[in-house]
Amino acid sequence: DIVLTQSPGTLSLSPGERATLSCRASQIVTNNYLAWYQQKPGQAPRLLMYGASSRATGIPDRFSGSGSGTDFTLTIRRLEPEDFAVYHCQQYGESPWTFGQGTKVEIK
Amino acid sequence: QLLLQESGPGLVKPSETLSLTCSVSRASINRSPFYWGWFRQPPGSGLEWLGCIYYTGATYDNPSLKSRVTMSVDTSKNQFSLRLTSATAADTAVYYCGRVASGWDNDILTGYVTSWGQGTLITVSS
Repeated sequence: DIVLTQSPGTLSLSPGERATLSCRASQIVTNNYLAWYQQKPGQAPRLLMYGASSRATGIPDRFSGSGSGTDFTLTIRRLEPEDFAVYHCQQYGESPWTFGQGTKVEIK
Repeated sequence: QLLLQESGPGLVKPSETLSLTCSVSRASINRSPFYWGWFRQPPGSGLEWLGCIYYTGATYDNPSLKSRVTMSVDTSKNQFSLRLTSATAADTAVYYCGRVASGWDNDILTGYVTSWGQGTLITVSS
């Protein structure tokens, strides 16, 4: 199985700052089949990015994804108050599809 | 906007079968090219993919759970279901259903979740 390791575990930032989240895969992710989700407490995840760098419908352009192979990054250009949440990456290029353990972005 | 709603027993006894249903509204479950998936999140842990099903009944399973998981679809009710046999405490989790945007790449089903249900907590305990 492909293991996804997200870092850091927790990111403490202030509104307006830039957030950089990492997702590293134990093997090459086929065709950059990597998605990012945002999850707030008590809520279901929400799709942010797919194909490593394509924004899902309705996602603000302050969110961007990059990377290829085994190293992927989610960047939030300027944090808004509603962006403080847990972020998960998922690879879907190989079975079983797997998720990272999540990065929590908290208010500093 | 698509809505998905999980329903289940809340509490399951060890060794029994966990059964969940996902009701889909505001969209047809027959719509291609979407699969319909099951996921779970144990308390304090990351997400796990369990498997997914197409409206034709074709399934794509997580190999680590394949022998315990059965999925079915009822297009007349716009619902799909999950059965997980021989439940243990390790199966305690919030279970989510979701719509999966899918495709095939060298016989591998690829997919990411475009819409999620709200989730339902299933506790396995005597």
